[in-house]
Amino acid sequence: DAGITQSPRHKVTETGTPVTLRCHQTENHRYMYWYRQDPGHGLRLIHYSYGVKDTDKGEVSDGYSVSRSKTEDFLLTLESATSSQTSVYFCAISESSGSRSYEQYFGPGTRLTVT
Amino acid sequence: AQSVTQLDSQVPVFEEAPVELRCNYSSSVSVYLFWYVQYPNQGLQLLLKYLSGSTLVKGINGFEAEFNKSQTSFHLRKPSVHISDTAEYFCAVSGGDTGRRALTFGSGTRLQVQP
Repeated sequence: DAGITQSPRHKVTETGTPVTLRCHQTENHRYMYWYRQDPGHGLRLIHYSYGVKDTDKGEVSDGYSVSRSKTEDFLLTLESATSSQTSVYFCAISESSGSRSYEQYFGPGTRLTVT
Repeated sequence: AQSVTQLDSQVPVFEEAPVELRCNYSSSVSVYLFWYVQYPNQGLQLLLKYLSGSTLVKGINGFEAEFNKSQTSFHLRKPSVHISDTAEYFCAVSGGDTGRRALTFGSGTRLQVQP
């Protein structure tokens, strides 16, 4: 399995509080992604990173920000959590070159509940 | 923009029977296609991929898929399923742009294998 960990694995928080989710990889891959998974929607891209300090928005980026100060860490922040952000969040990584450069490897997920 | 449609949200099937999970995509550019599997309370695992070459691709666990460009389809098949294949299956497409390799997912198909 690819070396990807996510923390925390479960979190319950209140509406209006800030929340930060962490994705950590040991593969030294260039690309990192944050997705959210909701019933009936599959996975949707929130933000992605193509290098240290290089990030861009995805399909559902409103209310989220990201940072990547090191190759191995990609942080997702919910600036002021809302109930609509209750979801399962997945981090993924992919290489920048080679035959597997378009494959993404997923972390175990973080289940976030906003009350 | 690209999109993925998985035509069946649930597919019940008896053990040892064949199964086909359908996937159609739309894109204005050449695409790379993937199938992922998600077992309960786990992350996503790559089953197989199509990047180029032979339109029939084989993956893990006895699954295969056929890329049909004229019908913009990438259906997943297995000739004989096992109880352990019970999971949710996601079809995904990548536009292949080197600056953006994020995946667009379908809404998923839940395969329920019954004894």
